Amino acid sequence: GENVEQHPSTLSVQEGDSAVIKCTYSDSASNYFPWYKQELGKRPQLIIDIRSNVGEKKDQRIAVTLNKTAKHFSLHITETQPEDSAVYFCAASNGMNSGYSTLTFGKGTMLLVSP
Amino acid sequence: EAGVAQSPRYKIIEKRQSVAFWCNPISGHATLYWYQQILGQGPKLLIQFQNNGVVDDSQLPKDRFSAERLKGVDSTLKIQPAKLEDSAVYLCASSLLWGRGETQYFGPGTRLLVL
Repeated sequence: GENVEQHPSTLSVQEGDSAVIKCTYSDSASNYFPWYKQELGKRPQLIIDIRSNVGEKKDQRIAVTLNKTAKHFSLHITETQPEDSAVYFCAASNGMNSGYSTLTFGKGTMLLVSP
Repeated sequence: EAGVAQSPRYKIIEKRQSVAFWCNPISGHATLYWYQQILGQGPKLLIQFQNNGVVDDSQLPKDRFSAERLKGVDSTLKIQPAKLEDSAVYLCASSLLWGRGETQYFGPGTRLLVL
């Protein structure tokens, strides 16, 4: 099955700095890669996603890049703010021939943004 | 649009007892997922339903866990008997359709503590 590795496990930055979180996946058939943000005690919420026919996607301060050859994708947050502090999860969709897909999540990165 | 609803939000039981969790997905969503999230880890899929049929339960410990989705809407997840290692947050998610690239929306989760 799919295996998703996520690094780093914790990341501390100063407000205004950039943050980068990296993930690798094992199944070359995976073609959908969402990122979720989970604040303490709350539900995971989708912040951005990318499909394998695209190399990069941006949404204001957030961007995701995908390297299919290396099976590697990354989340980039620019001009970080204290409210960006949360746990971020990457995931890869391991679609089966039957037509349904299964998300496999990384272990998460705790991002701490200091004022 | 109302989100995914779950109850109860918290549950404390002793080992070997049984427990049940309830999930109401977003109206019209065909696919429903149950995840287990152990502290410090990413969500792990337990079971996936398309309408009222199971499409993936490969990671469900079937000797103690069971789930059903009657009429293709609400779902219940049961643990009987519970073990200490079942302490986790149980997240329900739903998506409009199935297949690769379908956004999953998560509920607030049920936090289970087994003593």
